Amino acid sequence: QLQLQESGPGLVKPSETLSLTCTVSAGSISSSSYYWGWIRQSPGKGLEWIGNIYYSGSTYYSPSLKSRVTLSVDRAKNQFSLNLTSVTAADTAVYYCVRDNGGYGLDVWGQGTTVSVSS
Amino acid sequence: SALTQPPSASGSPGQSVTISCTGTSSDIGGYNFVSWYQQHPGKAPKLMIYEVTKRPSGVPDRFSGSKSGNTASLTVSGLQAEDEADYYCTSYARSGNLVFGGGTKLTVL
Repeated sequence: QLQLQESGPGLVKPSETLSLTCTVSAGSISSSSYYWGWIRQSPGKGLEWIGNIYYSGSTYYSPSLKSRVTLSVDRAKNQFSLNLTSVTAADTAVYYCVRDNGGYGLDVWGQGTTVSVSS
Repeated sequence: SALTQPPSASGSPGQSVTISCTGTSSDIGGYNFVSWYQQHPGKAPKLMIYEVTKRPSGVPDRFSGSKSGNTASLTVSGLQAEDEADYYCTSYARSGNLVFGGGTKLTVL
């Protein structure tokens, strides 16, 4: 059963860059069938799509975050990553990595990692 | 939120409840790629419905989805206590973006 695990700092200072990595286990990130994505959820709020990436590096980003987001893939390590620049308190959230099965939905989720933005 | 859901819904055990999700012709109305997710407190969301009406393996057939025009719906029949959770709809939109609804808190009375 494919599993996803997020990792990265739990605390980031304002104006700095938030960097998270998602490790894929029991499956290959190089599968041609899937995109790999990031979703976040601010405290007490709903889910927000950040973007997704194909193993080849092709990306889609949320229009509202596009100017600050970069997704990347490391096929050798079976990982994909999120960089979010110039963070503010509004970027405090639980960040989930997901397997995006296209029309078949976001069918595998990581457990989520909490990132707080504070000085 | 890009998609509009009612903030809350409720029903008694055994009853049916329907949650709506309204978008536009650029998302729900233009594609049959509506999905629904269930989220219990402190947990990651779980895929319940994809492609408007289809259930992943393991999801009870009490959960069903439909769509009419720009509005998708999730119906939970035979409500059970464990169905109490937040529910989110999503749809693909033009340019490959994914849009979420604001979420609906389902309470089992």
